[in-house]
Amino acid sequence: DAKTTQPPSMDCAEGRAANLPCNHSTISGNEYVYWYRQIHSQGPQYIIHGLKNNETNEMASLIITEDRKSSTLILPHATLRDTAVYYCIVRVFYGNNRLAFGKGNQVVVIP
Amino acid sequence: NAGVTQTPKFRVLKTGQSMTLLCAQDMNHEYMYWYRQDPGMGLRLIHYSVGEGTTAKGEVPDGYNVSRLKKQNFLLGLESAAPSQTSVYFCASSGRHDYEQYFGPGTRLTVT
Repeated sequence: DAKTTQPPSMDCAEGRAANLPCNHSTISGNEYVYWYRQIHSQGPQYIIHGLKNNETNEMASLIITEDRKSSTLILPHATLRDTAVYYCIVRVFYGNNRLAFGKGNQVVVIP
Repeated sequence: NAGVTQTPKFRVLKTGQSMTLLCAQDMNHEYMYWYRQDPGMGLRLIHYSVGEGTTAKGEVPDGYNVSRLKKQNFLLGLESAAPSQTSVYFCASSGRHDYEQYFGPGTRLTVT
Protein backbone atom coordinates (compact mmCIF):
# COMPACT_ATOMS: atom_id res chain seq x y z
CA ASP A 1 0.00 0.00 0.00
CA ALA A 2 1.18 3.52 -0.83
CA LYS A 3 2.40 5.75 1.98
CA THR A 4 0.77 9.05 2.85
CA THR A 5 2.07 12.33 4.24
CA GLN A 6 -0.03 14.61 6.44
CA PRO A 7 0.82 17.64 8.57
CA PRO A 8 1.21 16.56 12.22
CA SER A 9 -1.29 19.12 13.47
CA MET A 10 -3.47 22.04 12.50
CA ASP A 11 -6.02 24.38 14.02
CA CYS A 12 -9.24 25.56 12.46
CA ALA A 13 -11.97 27.96 13.50
CA GLU A 14 -15.35 26.74 14.62
CA GLY A 15 -17.99 27.28 11.94
CA ARG A 16 -15.46 27.61 9.14
CA ALA A 17 -14.50 24.98 6.59
CA ALA A 18 -11.53 22.83 7.55
CA ASN A 19 -9.30 21.66 4.70
CA LEU A 20 -7.10 18.70 5.60
CA PRO A 21 -4.36 17.88 3.07
CA CYS A 22 -2.80 14.52 2.27
CA ASN A 23 -0.01 13.64 -0.13
CA HIS A 24 0.15 10.16 -1.67
CA SER A 25 2.52 10.57 -4.58
CA THR A 26 3.18 6.82 -4.97
CA ILE A 27 -0.46 5.80 -5.18
CA SER A 28 -1.15 3.14 -7.77
CA GLY A 29 -4.10 2.88 -10.11
CA ASN A 30 -6.11 0.40 -8.05
CA GLU A 31 -5.63 2.10 -4.69
CA TYR A 32 -8.37 4.09 -3.01
CA VAL A 33 -7.99 7.03 -0.64
CA TYR A 34 -9.66 6.52 2.74
CA TRP A 35 -10.15 8.90 5.61
CA TYR A 36 -10.75 7.90 9.22
CA ARG A 37 -10.77 9.97 12.36
CA GLN A 38 -10.19 9.16 16.01
CA ILE A 39 -11.72 11.26 18.72
CA HIS A 40 -9.77 11.12 21.96
CA SER A 41 -9.84 7.70 23.65
CA GLN A 42 -12.31 6.25 21.14
CA GLY A 43 -11.90 3.79 18.31
CA PRO A 44 -11.34 5.19 14.81
CA GLN A 45 -14.37 6.11 12.74
CA TYR A 46 -14.71 5.87 8.97
CA ILE A 47 -15.38 9.18 7.22
CA ILE A 48 -15.20 8.78 3.45
CA HIS A 49 -13.28 7.14 0.61
CA GLY A 50 -12.72 7.71 -3.10
CA LEU A 51 -10.81 6.52 -6.17
CA LYS A 52 -10.53 9.49 -8.53
CA ASN A 53 -13.80 11.37 -8.46
CA ASN A 54 -14.70 13.85 -5.78
CA GLU A 55 -16.95 12.39 -3.13
CA THR A 56 -19.34 13.89 -0.61
CA ASN A 57 -21.35 12.44 2.23
CA GLU A 58 -23.06 13.76 5.33
CA MET A 59 -19.77 14.13 7.18
CA ALA A 60 -17.30 15.53 4.66
CA SER A 61 -16.15 16.03 1.09
CA LEU A 62 -13.12 14.43 -0.50
CA ILE A 63 -11.30 16.21 -3.31
CA ILE A 64 -8.71 14.14 -5.21
CA THR A 65 -6.37 15.85 -7.68
CA GLU A 66 -6.47 14.76 -11.28
CA ASP A 67 -3.07 13.02 -11.03
CA ARG A 68 -4.27 11.38 -7.77
CA LYS A 69 -1.04 12.29 -5.98
CA SER A 70 -2.80 14.31 -3.31
CA SER A 71 -6.21 14.83 -1.77
CA THR A 72 -8.05 17.15 0.59
CA LEU A 73 -10.67 16.26 3.15
CA ILE A 74 -13.10 19.11 3.71
CA LEU A 75 -15.20 19.46 6.84
CA PRO A 76 -17.69 22.08 5.65
CA HIS A 77 -18.60 23.66 8.98
CA ALA A 78 -16.19 22.56 11.68
CA THR A 79 -17.57 22.08 15.18
CA LEU A 80 -15.80 21.47 18.49
CA ARG A 81 -16.81 17.80 18.17
CA ASP A 82 -14.67 17.54 15.05
CA THR A 83 -11.51 17.87 17.16
CA ALA A 84 -9.74 14.57 16.48
CA VAL A 85 -6.80 12.88 14.81
CA TYR A 86 -7.52 12.43 11.10
CA TYR A 87 -5.91 9.59 9.19
CA CYS A 88 -5.44 9.51 5.43
CA ILE A 89 -4.89 5.94 4.18
CA VAL A 90 -4.48 4.50 0.71
CA ARG A 91 -5.06 0.85 -0.09
CA VAL A 92 -6.60 -1.46 -2.63
CA PHE A 93 -10.33 -1.88 -2.29
CA TYR A 94 -10.48 -5.68 -2.20
CA GLY A 95 -8.22 -8.07 -0.44
CA ASN A 96 -7.82 -8.55 3.27
CA ASN A 97 -9.04 -5.01 3.93
CA ARG A 98 -6.09 -4.18 6.15
CA LEU A 99 -5.60 -0.52 7.02
CA ALA A 100 -2.14 0.99 7.58
CA PHE A 101 -2.49 3.94 9.94
CA GLY A 102 0.23 6.56 10.11
CA LYS A 103 0.48 9.18 12.84
CA GLY A 104 -2.32 11.25 11.36
CA ASN A 105 -3.11 14.94 11.63
CA GLN A 106 -4.22 16.27 15.02
CA VAL A 107 -6.95 18.77 14.19
CA VAL A 108 -8.10 21.15 16.89
CA VAL A 109 -11.24 23.20 16.31
CA ILE A 110 -10.98 26.50 18.14
CA PRO A 111 -14.07 28.39 19.37
CA ASN B 1 -26.95 -4.07 17.20
CA ALA B 2 -24.15 -3.64 19.68
CA GLY B 3 -21.57 -3.45 16.87
CA VAL B 4 -18.09 -4.34 18.09
CA THR B 5 -17.60 -4.90 21.81
CA GLN B 6 -14.40 -5.53 23.75
CA THR B 7 -13.84 -7.16 27.11
CA PRO B 8 -12.38 -6.00 29.46
CA LYS B 9 -12.19 -2.21 29.19
CA PHE B 10 -9.23 -1.90 31.57
CA ARG B 11 -6.70 -4.34 32.97
CA VAL B 12 -3.47 -4.19 34.95
CA LEU B 13 -1.11 -7.14 34.71
CA LYS B 14 2.18 -7.99 36.31
CA THR B 15 5.10 -8.97 34.09
CA GLY B 16 4.85 -12.63 33.15
CA GLN B 17 1.11 -12.97 33.72
CA SER B 18 -1.18 -14.07 30.93
CA MET B 19 -4.55 -12.84 29.79
CA THR B 20 -7.03 -12.97 26.93
CA LEU B 21 -8.84 -10.04 25.36
CA LEU B 22 -12.20 -10.80 23.83
CA CYS B 23 -13.68 -9.08 20.80
CA ALA B 24 -17.23 -9.78 19.69
CA GLN B 25 -19.19 -8.46 16.70
CA ASP B 26 -22.84 -8.96 15.81
CA MET B 27 -22.70 -7.78 12.18
CA ASN B 28 -21.85 -11.18 10.66
CA HIS B 29 -18.54 -9.80 9.39
CA GLU B 30 -15.99 -12.13 7.86
CA TYR B 31 -12.91 -10.06 8.69
CA MET B 32 -11.69 -9.17 12.15
CA TYR B 33 -8.57 -7.32 13.32
CA TRP B 34 -6.55 -6.55 16.41
CA TYR B 35 -4.60 -3.27 16.59
CA ARG B 36 -2.50 -1.67 19.29
CA GLN B 37 -2.03 2.05 19.80
CA ASP B 38 0.80 3.62 21.75
CA PRO B 39 0.99 7.30 22.80
CA GLY B 40 1.43 9.65 19.86
CA MET B 41 1.25 6.80 17.38
CA GLY B 42 -1.26 5.57 14.91
CA LEU B 43 -2.74 2.10 15.13
CA ARG B 44 -0.55 -0.88 14.29
CA LEU B 45 -2.01 -4.18 13.16
CA ILE B 46 -1.16 -7.15 15.39
CA HIS B 47 -3.11 -10.04 13.85
CA TYR B 48 -6.14 -10.38 11.65
CA SER B 49 -8.58 -13.02 10.45
CA VAL B 50 -10.35 -13.36 7.12
CA GLY B 51 -12.77 -15.99 8.34
CA GLU B 52 -13.69 -18.47 11.04
CA GLY B 53 -10.77 -20.75 11.81
CA THR B 54 -8.18 -18.59 10.02
CA THR B 55 -5.67 -16.09 11.37
CA ALA B 56 -2.71 -14.19 9.97
CA LYS B 57 0.12 -12.02 11.25
CA GLY B 58 0.02 -8.28 10.95
CA GLU B 59 2.71 -5.68 11.45
CA VAL B 60 3.60 -6.37 15.13
CA PRO B 61 2.59 -9.99 15.98
CA ASP B 62 5.39 -10.98 18.36
CA GLY B 63 4.27 -11.80 21.90
CA TYR B 64 0.62 -12.27 20.91
CA ASN B 65 -1.54 -15.17 19.80
CA VAL B 66 -5.06 -15.12 18.38
CA SER B 67 -7.92 -17.50 17.74
CA ARG B 68 -11.12 -17.29 15.70
CA LEU B 69 -13.11 -20.35 16.70
CA LYS B 70 -16.44 -18.64 16.10
CA LYS B 71 -17.18 -16.14 13.36
CA GLN B 72 -18.40 -13.51 15.81
CA ASN B 73 -15.45 -13.71 18.21
CA PHE B 74 -11.76 -12.90 17.89
CA LEU B 75 -9.53 -13.53 20.90
CA LEU B 76 -6.14 -11.92 21.53
CA GLY B 77 -3.86 -13.69 23.99
CA LEU B 78 -0.78 -12.57 25.85
CA GLU B 79 1.01 -15.65 27.19
CA SER B 80 3.67 -13.81 29.21
CA ALA B 81 2.97 -10.10 29.47
CA ALA B 82 5.82 -7.60 29.21
CA PRO B 83 5.89 -3.86 30.01
CA SER B 84 6.35 -3.20 26.27
CA GLN B 85 2.82 -4.52 25.77
CA THR B 86 1.34 -1.66 27.77
CA SER B 87 -0.96 -0.11 25.22
CA VAL B 88 -4.54 0.49 24.13
CA TYR B 89 -5.89 -2.41 22.10
CA PHE B 90 -8.58 -1.96 19.49
CA CYS B 91 -10.56 -4.63 17.74
CA ALA B 92 -12.27 -4.03 14.41
CA SER B 93 -14.39 -5.95 11.92
CA SER B 94 -15.51 -5.59 8.33
CA GLY B 95 -17.44 -7.46 5.69
CA ARG B 96 -15.62 -9.07 2.77
CA HIS B 97 -16.65 -6.34 0.36
CA ASP B 98 -17.04 -3.52 2.87
CA TYR B 99 -14.96 -0.38 2.56
CA GLU B 100 -15.50 0.47 6.24
CA GLN B 101 -13.94 -1.10 9.30
CA TYR B 102 -15.97 -0.86 12.50
CA PHE B 103 -13.94 -0.38 15.66
CA GLY B 104 -14.60 -1.32 19.24
CA PRO B 105 -14.14 1.06 22.19
CA GLY B 106 -10.70 -0.27 23.12
CA THR B 107 -9.03 -2.05 26.04
CA ARG B 108 -6.48 -0.15 28.07
CA LEU B 109 -3.80 -2.59 29.29
CA THR B 110 -1.01 -1.74 31.70
CA VAL B 111 1.80 -4.20 32.42
CA THR B 112 3.90 -3.41 35.48
